Amino acid sequence: QVQLRQSGPGLVKPSQTLSLTCAISGDSVSSKSAAWNWIRQSPWRGLEWLGRTFYRSKWSYDYVESVKSRITINPDTSKNQFSLQLKSVTPEDTAVYYCVRSQDIVGPGTNAFDIWGQGTMVTVSS
Amino acid sequence: QSVLTQPPSASGTPGQRVTISCSESRSDIGSYVVNWYQQLPGTAPKLLICRNNQRPSGVPDRFSGSKSGTSASLAISGLQSEDEADYYCAAWDDSLKGWVFGGGTKLTVL
Repeated sequence: QVQLRQSGPGLVKPSQTLSLTCAISGDSVSSKSAAWNWIRQSPWRGLEWLGRTFYRSKWSYDYVESVKSRITINPDTSKNQFSLQLKSVTPEDTAVYYCVRSQDIVGPGTNAFDIWGQGTMVTVSS
Repeated sequence: QSVLTQPPSASGTPGQRVTISCSESRSDIGSYVVNWYQQLPGTAPKLLICRNNQRPSGVPDRFSGSKSGTSASLAISGLQSEDEADYYCAAWDDSLKGWVFGGGTKLTVL
């Protein structure tokens, strides 16, 4: 059974860096059929996909344009986990952050988010 | 403004059939493949429908999806009190090279 376990601080000061880690059990961050995503949810922005990393013959990364200059998602094969770093945070980055696996569910072309972490409420405040 | 538009709320009585729509705001993205998620209070979203109308194993057949042109729909038949939740549509946008979500629909079972 695949599980994602998130860790990281729930309070970050403005202008600092938000850092979260997602530990994977039951699958591999180097899987050639999965992608590893970060999604956040806030009352004012709803669900917002932030970015993903995935391995096929090399590591690839996609990020949403709105945070592209501030975000890094890194895989760590030695610990079978992946991380999120979001720099220069403001109160608008306050949200519940989820790490999420995506893959084809019932055959080619059925890519979707199927396994979610437990969520981490991150508040940006001094 | 979300690329995918959902009604903010929907409601129905137990046993009824309700539908929730998800419309693409750009006419050039009729090729969106839509997924649907259910989010119960205090929990992470759960996949209900993928590729417009495919139900993953374990999802009750009371849930069904369809798509016509630039509009997708989630239908819930035999409505139950435990279906009271927020429902989101989502799709991969090739031009944005990222996933986009609808704003969500809060379903109330009266």
